[in-house]
Amino acid sequence: QKEVEQDPGPLSVPEGAIVSLNCTYSNSAFQYFMWYRQYSRKGPELLMYTYSSGNKEDGRFTAQVDKSSKYISLFIRDSQPSDSATYLCASPARQLTFGSGTQLTVLP
Amino acid sequence: DGGITQSPKYLFRKEGQNVTLSCEQNLNHDAMYWYRQDPGQGLRLIYYSQIVNDFQKGDIAEGYSVSREKKESFPLTVTSAQKNPTAFYLCASIGGGAVYDQPQHFGDGTRLSIL
Repeated sequence: QKEVEQDPGPLSVPEGAIVSLNCTYSNSAFQYFMWYRQYSRKGPELLMYTYSSGNKEDGRFTAQVDKSSKYISLFIRDSQPSDSATYLCASPARQLTFGSGTQLTVLP
Repeated sequence: DGGITQSPKYLFRKEGQNVTLSCEQNLNHDAMYWYRQDPGQGLRLIYYSQIVNDFQKGDIAEGYSVSREKKESFPLTVTSAQKNPTAFYLCASIGGGAVYDQPQHFGDGTRLSIL
């Protein structure tokens, strides 16, 4: 079992929709969680990181962590075509452990 | 502008050939990393280095080698022993501190293909 599992997608939504991207993790030692965004043929860039359970908001993006169920989510409100990318969840243990990524397409 | 530069952007390897991927950073970061990205598998750690002249194997080091002679440079050699080298290779770095304190900065990758 992978330590971080991610819904593979691909996911296609109309512009303006609310997007939910989800990951689960198996290692109870994971305390920090990160979301990276990766555009095609580019390296990932950090979008958000969070430590505690609950929600963290940054503009149209909300990261949610539920440690009791080992579930992490990223919500995108009012999605835009420019949000089309692959989203990777990650958690640092010995080193960063990444999920497999979810490819998102926002259709204009 | 500070950042990580990977070159070349595209690379082709013949059977039995070693190839070297370049990674240079001007962020003055101590730690550098190499990942391999395959479709549907996310990023897998090949090697990492936390200080000059020292490096550690990651999860999939077989068939790869690295060196860290300078702080700003961390080249990756894909040897002929790596039987399935076709992938997107990403280099990353972080500054001082724990892994979770710092976001990893990534280069824009090198896409390696077999001829």
